[in-house]
Amino acid sequence: KAGVTQTPRYLIKTRGQQVTLSCSPISGHRSVSWYQQTPGQGLQFLFEYFSETQRNKGNFPGRFSGRQFSNSRSEMNVSTLELGDSALYLCASSLGSGGYEQYFGPGTRLTVT
Amino acid sequence: GESVGLHLPTLSVQEGDNSIINCAYSNSASDYFIWYKQESGKGPQFIIDIRSNMDKRQGQRVTVLLNKTVKHLSLQIAATQPGDSAVYFCAENTGGNQFYFGTGTSLTVIP
Repeated sequence: KAGVTQTPRYLIKTRGQQVTLSCSPISGHRSVSWYQQTPGQGLQFLFEYFSETQRNKGNFPGRFSGRQFSNSRSEMNVSTLELGDSALYLCASSLGSGGYEQYFGPGTRLTVT
Repeated sequence: GESVGLHLPTLSVQEGDNSIINCAYSNSASDYFIWYKQESGKGPQFIIDIRSNMDKRQGQRVTVLLNKTVKHLSLQIAATQPGDSAVYFCAENTGGNQFYFGTGTSLTVIP
């Protein structure tokens, strides 16, 4: 069974631009969560989508948004990029929401210059 | 808010020895925990999980212990191998799929 895939793997953007990252969960998984990983803050939860609905949201500004499609694929968008948004963005998929094993993709490395 | 802390940021062990990685969590309502391994340039890899109604769970060469009284988790790796060198994270879940991650412990296996 294929794992979680994320595209693109690497991205370089300029301050003020926006970016869209994509995640395809493991087949059959209906929950997708997004995390930001930085050396200073570690792994931080952004939000979770389950059956096309946002279920949980972390403590990030409104510039960070996401959505989930009927096939469970998810996208996250960051608008008005700031230097501090440079990070590894990780997507994780689970069969369901709450108490399920969560599997991560390889991440998208975003660099903001 | 919740916090998940690791006692040691780095750990070095000789190949073949057992490794123990510790993790403290602060939310007594957390009912599900996962240990992850992250190698350089890769996403976190699921190792083993444990629910709050258990105090021990074993996998292949790994054992997770949960002490709810002192809110402490540990990951034991038996016969540590060079391929075990990585950063290990514990993650706690209080509901939904929102996990709080520890800062990580870097494990180095000395051949």
